Amino acid sequence: QVQLVQSGAEVKKPGSSVKVSCKASGGTFSTYTISWVRQAPGQGLEWMGSFIPLLDIAKYAQKFQGRVTLTADKSTSTAYMELSSLRSEDTAVYSCARHDTGMDAFDIWGPGTMVTVSS
Amino acid sequence: QSVLTQPPSASGTPGQRVTISCSGSSSNIGSNAVDWYQQLPGTAPKLLIFGNNQRPSGVPDRFSGSKSGTSASLAISGLQSEDEGDYYCAAWDDSLNAYVFGTGTKVTVL
Repeated sequence: QVQLVQSGAEVKKPGSSVKVSCKASGGTFSTYTISWVRQAPGQGLEWMGSFIPLLDIAKYAQKFQGRVTLTADKSTSTAYMELSSLRSEDTAVYSCARHDTGMDAFDIWGPGTMVTVSS
Repeated sequence: QSVLTQPPSASGTPGQRVTISCSGSSSNIGSNAVDWYQQLPGTAPKLLIFGNNQRPSGVPDRFSGSKSGTSASLAISGLQSEDEGDYYCAAWDDSLNAYVFGTGTKVTVL
């Protein structure tokens, strides 16, 4: 069974960057597409972008273009999401999710990583 | 500001049927499949319906999805207390070139 384990909570200053990791266990990591979704406190879900480790290709939501970088290390089956120029509005839970190509949907989710941006 | 609109809340008594609507446009629901996610309190979202009306393995058949034009619906029949949580529709949007989620609906079991 594929599981996604994420890095721990972070507290960051405005203007700084944060890098969240998502390690996959089980399955063949290089064949996945890993997406990142965030959820601000009390708010809904927001897709940030997706990364295809097999092709080293990233697709970003326009809102985050230029501020988010998605990468992966195939040797450790770990995906990364780095968000720069943090502001208070970026305070949210950041989750990785596997995009299953057969279902064309996010079938496995990580537990989420809380990122708090505060001076 | 999500491009997929859902009612903020829905409720029912145990055993009742509850329906949640999801309204979109020709660039998302009108031309792409709709997925539904369930988020129980304090947990990560869970895929409930994919491809408009398909259930992943393990999802009870009490949950069903449908789509017509630029709208979609999720029905929960035989409502149970453990169904309390937030439900989100989602679809790819060709204009935004993004996967968009609905505004979310909080389901309460009375």
